[in-house]
Amino acid sequence: QQQVKQSPQSLIVQKGGISIINCAYENTAFDYFPWYQQFPGKGPALLIAIRPDVSEKKEGRFTISFNKSAKQFSLHIMDSQPGDSATYFCAARRSEGGATNKLIFGTGTLLAVQP
Amino acid sequence: EPEVTQTPSHQVTQMGQEVILRCVPISNHLYFYWYRQILGQKVEFLVSFYNNEISEKSEIFDDQFSVERPDGSNFTLKIRSTKLEDSAMYFCASSEHQISYEQYFGPGTRLTVT
Repeated sequence: QQQVKQSPQSLIVQKGGISIINCAYENTAFDYFPWYQQFPGKGPALLIAIRPDVSEKKEGRFTISFNKSAKQFSLHIMDSQPGDSATYFCAARRSEGGATNKLIFGTGTLLAVQP
Repeated sequence: EPEVTQTPSHQVTQMGQEVILRCVPISNHLYFYWYRQILGQKVEFLVSFYNNEISEKSEIFDDQFSVERPDGSNFTLKIRSTKLEDSAMYFCASSEHQISYEQYFGPGTRLTVT
């Protein structure tokens, strides 16, 4: 119930292509879904986030699609660039009476964008 | 742009020794967190801290761990007697307030226990 399942584990995309990473959850108490980008040796950097009252959020080349009924959300990277090569983590925040802001992370997707 | 900073970037210690990992959260943030990431694995929540007390801790955060905000800027994680399995990247994060949800992570401290 506390898990966030992420797929694929790794992804290779050609420059200019679309990268798609998927996540699924079971706990309906999750109320905030961020995506983090992590380069080797660095901390996770907040990329984009969505709340369950909207089905899509777009920021530049990055889009989150959210399907509340299916309990799934995905990250789409349009026009993927070699500089996007990194590990991407989805996460979810559990709301329990506002007592916590704990993030539960997916297992990560290693994205390689080939020039 | 404000950022979370952490020191040291790499700490090597012997099993059984105490270590203190330090973090300076973003200055107007009120909620502080520690996460860890074992090499090649996902990021795991350890503890959250607000108003000078722990608001939540995970099963990983046992009696060997403690957190403190000794002054108005630093936030520390202490491991009293390190074990080999404590070797990981430790990330500090902060958020402005609970409603904002957004957590900003520091660059991490790589802890190696030998």
